[in-house]
Amino acid sequence: EAGVTQFPSHSVIEKGQTVTLRCDPISGHDNLYWYRRVMGKEIKFLLHFVKESKQDESGMPNNRFLAERTGGTYSTLKVQPAELEDSGVYFCASSQDITEPNTEAFFGQGTRLTVV
Amino acid sequence: AQSVTQLDSQVPVFEEAPVELRCNYSSSVSVYLFWYVQYPNQGLQLLLKYLSGSTLVESINGFEAEFNKSQTSFHLRKPSVHISDTAEYFCAVKGTGGFKTIFGAGTRLFVKA
Repeated sequence: EAGVTQFPSHSVIEKGQTVTLRCDPISGHDNLYWYRRVMGKEIKFLLHFVKESKQDESGMPNNRFLAERTGGTYSTLKVQPAELEDSGVYFCASSQDITEPNTEAFFGQGTRLTVV
Repeated sequence: AQSVTQLDSQVPVFEEAPVELRCNYSSSVSVYLFWYVQYPNQGLQLLLKYLSGSTLVESINGFEAEFNKSQTSFHLRKPSVHISDTAEYFCAVKGTGGFKTIFGAGTRLFVKA
């Protein structure tokens, strides 16, 4: 069974450009999460989808970030326009059961975003 | 709201020595507790978790962690480390009624020969 897959693995863009990160969760997982780790700091929650609906987007930093989950399958996270402070590793995770918070979340390898 | 403090950012240790990675948390509600590990060039993997019951939980590769409610701690221990344990370890909490996982800043474990 394929795990959580993230594309690209690395991205280097200039300040002001747009970048779109993609996450393919494990098939059948209704919960999808985005997290971000700025260098050396904690991994911070960005948002949570249940199927195609945003359940919690309290961690989104500002309106330059837009997350979507088409048809409840894969998700994209777009940053437009990118700023230097957006650099970091963006993790996606998915879990199966929408009724049980204690079910394990499986993480992807992350996308390392560098804004120069 | 919850928060997690990992008291050591880096822990160097010799192979076959014991190690303890410290984690303290704060929360106004009951929590589930987790340790995740990130090996070089890989994603986060769940190492072990405490949901309920016995306060001592173990992983398949010899790590254990003990939930101490009075001290709000969930320290990770291994009696004898291997070179292959070199990785970054993240302590995390989740409120029992929610889905958001709160992570600590991570502890880099370096195991030296």
